[in-house]
Amino acid sequence: GAGVSQSPSNKVTEKGKDVELRCDPISGHTALYWYRQSLGQGLEFLIYFQGNSAPDKSGLPSDRFSAERTGGSVSTLTIQRTQQEDSAVYLCASSLGARGNTEAFFGQGTRLTVV
Amino acid sequence: GENVEQHPSTLSVQEGDSAVIKCTYSDSASNYFPWYKQELGKRPQLIIDIRSNVGEKKDQRIAVTLNKTAKHFSLHITETQPEDSAVYFCAVGQLTFGSGTQLTVLP
Repeated sequence: GAGVSQSPSNKVTEKGKDVELRCDPISGHTALYWYRQSLGQGLEFLIYFQGNSAPDKSGLPSDRFSAERTGGSVSTLTIQRTQQEDSAVYLCASSLGARGNTEAFFGQGTRLTVV
Repeated sequence: GENVEQHPSTLSVQEGDSAVIKCTYSDSASNYFPWYKQELGKRPQLIIDIRSNVGEKKDQRIAVTLNKTAKHFSLHITETQPEDSAVYFCAVGQLTFGSGTQLTVLP
């Protein structure tokens, strides 16, 4: 596609439910990143993929968070047993180069609200 | 891990004045330093970046300077316009972002 696409754009879920967020990166981009942005805050790094492998998972805040990437393309971020503090905008980005040495292009984000 | 500090958190300038935002980092091995602009409700977009083999880079009204010895880099916007109003983030690589600067350009 023309840019990084994320779905859904908005998600409201009840506390305790699981959610899956999807990211479709720019075709050919081998690096993919997930970030979390709380209201009025900066970007918190969650996980980085190079191809299908995740050499850096250091940002995942708890074992309720997991992510996978298949076929070197689409990635899903899963949050299990959601809590209210998980409410935020989840941003995905992709880039051509490895480990953050080239420009990253962001998706429009998924706004997650846990009620 | 890497730590990035960004200052100031808010900055108001009169239209036509210059704005400077500064970031310091901790990992001396870092070699890529991008700056992103995020308008309200929109995604971050790269406005300029610099690599460790150069000290300064300019693109029209925007410039970035890098001091590897001191481990800090700065964003300079000259002749500011109201449309420059946004949140600006520095980053080290793509994994660590500064906390952001809300820039307001007053007409």
